[in-house]
Amino acid sequence: DAGVTQSPTHLIKTRGQQVTLRCSPKSGHDTVSWYQQALGQGPQFIFQYYEEEERQRGNFPDRFSGHQFPNYSSELNVNALLLGDSALYLCASSRTGNDYGYTFGSGTRLTVV
Amino acid sequence: QQQVKQSPQSLIVQKGGISIINCAYENTAFDYFPWYQQFPGKGPALLIAIRPDVSEKKEGRFTISFNKSAKQFSLHIMDSQPGDSATYFCAAIPGNTGKLIFGQGTTLQVKP
Repeated sequence: DAGVTQSPTHLIKTRGQQVTLRCSPKSGHDTVSWYQQALGQGPQFIFQYYEEEERQRGNFPDRFSGHQFPNYSSELNVNALLLGDSALYLCASSRTGNDYGYTFGSGTRLTVV
Repeated sequence: QQQVKQSPQSLIVQKGGISIINCAYENTAFDYFPWYQQFPGKGPALLIAIRPDVSEKKEGRFTISFNKSAKQFSLHIMDSQPGDSATYFCAAIPGNTGKLIFGQGTTLQVKP
């Protein structure tokens, strides 16, 4: 039973560029949440998707956007990258009705230079 | 205030000892308190969790103690092992949001 799969594993981008990160949820899960984890910090909630719609959003600027597809997979897009966007981006999936049963992926390490 | 404060930032324990990590919160709307374990290069993995109507929960060597009146909860790792060396995060979920609010993390090193 595959868990949460994220791609790519690592990514280096230049300031001002745009990036897309991808997430495939655990089998049977239909809700996807994205978190940003800066070095040495706890993960910060970015947003959550369910039924292809953004259900909740954390305190992140509009440069951060997302999408969920009919197969429940999800993308996180970040525009106009800043040096401060360098972080580990984590995807977590869960099943509706079991909101507290999160499974995290191993993340995408984004470095902005 | 949606914040969870965690201490200590780092912890060194001898093998067989007890590791204790503490967290405090302000928001009384939190209704679920999980602890996550994270190894380098991996995402957080759920270790144990508790709801505020329970004062203690034990699973194997891991115990959560919860003090609702003080708005504090702690993780106790009994008989700590070198394999427990990792970063531990407390978290809280505001009711009906499904949004995890994480503490700052504690890096635990268990010396053989």
